[in-house]
Amino acid sequence: KAGVTQTPRYLIKTRGQQVTLSCSPISGHRSVSWYQQTPGQGLQFLFEYFSETQRNKGNFPGRFSGRQFSNSRSEMNVSTLELGDSALYLCASSFAGEETQYFGPGTRLLVL
Amino acid sequence: AQSVAQPEDQVNVAEGNPLTVKCTYSVSGNPYLFWYVQYPNRGLQFLLKYITGDNLVKGSYGFEAEFNKSQTSFHLKKPSALVSDSALYFCAVREAGTASKLTFGTGTRLQVTL
Repeated sequence: KAGVTQTPRYLIKTRGQQVTLSCSPISGHRSVSWYQQTPGQGLQFLFEYFSETQRNKGNFPGRFSGRQFSNSRSEMNVSTLELGDSALYLCASSFAGEETQYFGPGTRLLVL
Repeated sequence: AQSVAQPEDQVNVAEGNPLTVKCTYSVSGNPYLFWYVQYPNRGLQFLLKYITGDNLVKGSYGFEAEFNKSQTSFHLKKPSALVSDSALYFCAVREAGTASKLTFGTGTRLQVTL
C-alpha cells in the first residue's frame, strides 16, 4: 500500500498570505489528523477529520482550518500567515482514529 | 489532560551497546502508548505501540519497549545500537476511548557513535 502523501513538500510564503496544504491518506483510512512541528513548541495537534467531519481540535487560532473530502483526502488552510507559522506540517492517517497513526513526510512551510 | 515527558534531550551510546530512551506519561484512564522515530527532513515513522496485554512490546528494527503501569513509564530499548539508529525519537500517548489526538513528548535525540 502507498503511504500517506503530502503536497507540496516545501512552500515559501510571505506574511499575510494564505496557504493550502494537501494530504492523501493510506487507502482505506478514514481518519486524518494534522500536526504542527516547530523547534520551540514541538509536535502539536491541530485537528482531526473523520468521514468529512471535524472530530477533534487543538488549541490553534481560527486562522487554521481544514476539511476532508468524500475520498478521505484532507486539506488544511492557514490564512493571514504570520512568521510564527513557519513549521513542518504533518498529516497522519488511521483507519478510524483509534489505531496507529501513520505519518506523511510533511510539508515544510517558511513564512517570510 | 494527558501528557508525556521525555527527560533526556539527548542520549549518546556506542555502537553495539544497549540503548534506553526514557518516557513517562500521564492520562486519566488507560493509556495507548506509541514510539515514533524521525530522521532529518522526514515525517514520523511508527516503531511500536502498547494497547493492552504483555508489558514488553516488540517493534520494528529490533526495538522494544516496556510498559510499567506503577511507574507510568514506557521506555524504549534496543539490545545493540547501530549508527543508523541515530535519529530523533518521540514518545506519544492517547487515552483509551478518545479519538485520535496524540500528545507527544519533546523528543530525545539518539546519537550512536562507532
